[in-house]
Amino acid sequence: GQNIDQPTEMTATEGAIVQINCTYQTSGFNGLFWYQQHAGEAPTFLSYNVLDGLEEKGRFSSFLSRSKGYSYLLLKELQMKDSASYLCVAKDSNYQLIWGAGTKLIIKP
Amino acid sequence: IAGITQAPTSQILAAGRRMTLRCTQDMRHNAMYWYRQDLGLGLRLIHYSNTAGTTGKGEVPDGYSVSRANTDDFPLTLASAVPSQTSVYFCASSPVAGSTDTQYFGPGTRLTVL
Repeated sequence: GQNIDQPTEMTATEGAIVQINCTYQTSGFNGLFWYQQHAGEAPTFLSYNVLDGLEEKGRFSSFLSRSKGYSYLLLKELQMKDSASYLCVAKDSNYQLIWGAGTKLIIKP
Repeated sequence: IAGITQAPTSQILAAGRRMTLRCTQDMRHNAMYWYRQDLGLGLRLIHYSNTAGTTGKGEVPDGYSVSRANTDDFPLTLASAVPSQTSVYFCASSPVAGSTDTQYFGPGTRLTVL
């Protein structure tokens, strides 16, 4: 079956760096997304990877290894507003999205 | 309107009642989607529409129906609500179906079925 695994919850300190890992198993692969979702709000797009390597976008970076079925989201210089859930989403060969349950990131002062 | 809107924001509904959740987008996106989000689970696709006039079933379609009479609107109907349909419902759209396009989400409808 198709599956996304990511930690349920992580805690980090303001100003620090945190890495949220995701492993996926899909029927074929057409890219991996990361979405951010603040409590009570809709998911919003953060990043998209389809080729191996690191994509950097300001304080956020996303890495993909297709051979390992692995991705991570790296958040630098953490701010309190980064407290949210981070959703790992893989797209399979039929372009269907497989959503992870999300990692709740708690930022402490 | 800018983006996607959903109505109502929240609703408490008696079991057995019929309910339509509304979704409208003004981005002229071809594809639209309905998801439900439950605690501890990833978003699950209920129904989708690749273009106006067509619809398809997602992962959890039972008990729900949709229509896509035009590009902008994609209502979701619960014919006879049951408590297991208590959830947060998100409508989303993307420019083209079957591609790697990002999906844009509405603010969600929080539905409680008693």
